[in-house]
Amino acid sequence: KAGVTQTPRYLIKTRGQQVTLSCSPISGHRSVSWYQQTPGQGLQFLFEYFSETQRNKGNFPGRFSGRQFSNSRSEMNVSTLELGDSALYLCASSLGGGGSGTYNEQFFGPGTRLTVL
Amino acid sequence: AQSVSQHNHHVILSEAASLELGCNYSYGGTVNLFWYVQYPGQHLQLLLKYFSGDPLVKGIKGFEAEFIKSKFSFNLRKPSVQWSDTAEYFCAVNFFSYNFNKFYFGSGTKLNVKP
Repeated sequence: KAGVTQTPRYLIKTRGQQVTLSCSPISGHRSVSWYQQTPGQGLQFLFEYFSETQRNKGNFPGRFSGRQFSNSRSEMNVSTLELGDSALYLCASSLGGGGSGTYNEQFFGPGTRLTVL
Repeated sequence: AQSVSQHNHHVILSEAASLELGCNYSYGGTVNLFWYVQYPGQHLQLLLKYFSGDPLVKGIKGFEAEFIKSKFSFNLRKPSVQWSDTAEYFCAVNFFSYNFNKFYFGSGTKLNVKP
């Protein structure tokens, strides 16, 4: 079974630009979550999508947005980039679902390393 | 507010030493608990998880963790570490209730095992 894939793996942008990152979950997984990993802040939850709907959201500004397509692939967009947005962006997929909304085990992709100059 | 704390940021051990990494969370409701490991240059991988049942859970590579509800803790243990256990370890907690569902990671513990 193929794992979670993320593209691109590396990205260099300048302040003020916008960027779109892509994540393809494991086949059959309907939940995709995004995280930002930095040395200072660790792993911080951005948002989770399930069946094309944002189900949960972390405490990030509106510049960070995402969407999920009918095939469960997800994209994350960051507009008006700031230097502090430099980080490793991780995507995780899980089966999701269930009436309680309980997370299943999350499988992580390799991440996209974003550098903002 | 919910939070997850890992108090050991950097641990250095010799091979065959025992390991215990602490993880505490703040929340009185229902949680799912996880430990993930990130080996140098590799993806985050799940070590073990707790959803319900026996509070002592066993994971891969000889790791285990014990959920102590009264202490809001989920400490990771391994009786005898190996050089190959050198990695960063993350505790993660899924907090959920009828009207929210959030997933938080601790700040991570870097384990360095000396051969």
